[in-house]
Amino acid sequence: GIQVEQSPPDLILQEGANSTLRCNFSDSVNNLQWFHQNPWGQLINLFYIPSGTKQNGRLSATTVATERYSLLYISSSQTTDSGVYFCAIDFDGGTSYGKLTFGQGTILTVHP
Amino acid sequence: NAGVTQTPKFQVLKTGQSMTLQCAQDMNHEYMSWYRQDPGMGLRLIHYSVGAGITDQGEVPNGYNVSRSTTEDFPLRLLSAAPSQTSVYFCASSYSGYQPQHFGDGTRLSIL
Repeated sequence: GIQVEQSPPDLILQEGANSTLRCNFSDSVNNLQWFHQNPWGQLINLFYIPSGTKQNGRLSATTVATERYSLLYISSSQTTDSGVYFCAIDFDGGTSYGKLTFGQGTILTVHP
Repeated sequence: NAGVTQTPKFQVLKTGQSMTLQCAQDMNHEYMSWYRQDPGMGLRLIHYSVGAGITDQGEVPNGYNVSRSTTEDFPLRLLSAAPSQTSVYFCASSYSGYQPQHFGDGTRLSIL
């Protein structure tokens, strides 16, 4: 079946370090999003990125749709970056209805 | 502009009871969805809607009912609560299937 695999499952960093989170997917996509779930449980949309590269401050994301992966880069990490990062995908069956399939997430802990 | 508002934030039910989780958005978004999140897992799609009067099932629809009479509101009904429905429920909305999804803060539901 359709799969969304995120790695690593857990990541521990010191403040100021850089990191790369990866999302592999098993089929072509027409909708890919990255989310941050903070320690209070809120889900924040970071990027809508079915292809190409985007940047927003210290965060950037790249999706290579032909090779079926997406990367989320966090530079100069801060303690407020802690939480769970999810990759979510709507697979390409024609029109996208935003029916997202979520990966299992990467748990990021940033120590001061 | 409140975004996506979910009520209640917390609820405890007894097995067999019914209840409605409310979701409202003030962004004039056509697309709305309900997800559930179980411990240590990503989110799974329950039901979704692409506009008033149009709903469809997601990955885990059994035991839940939805309707959408207005663009703003998308309530989720539990018909006869079961312990397996203990979860955190998130509502999301987007302008289209090719736009970022915005999530509410969630409803934490416990069924005894």
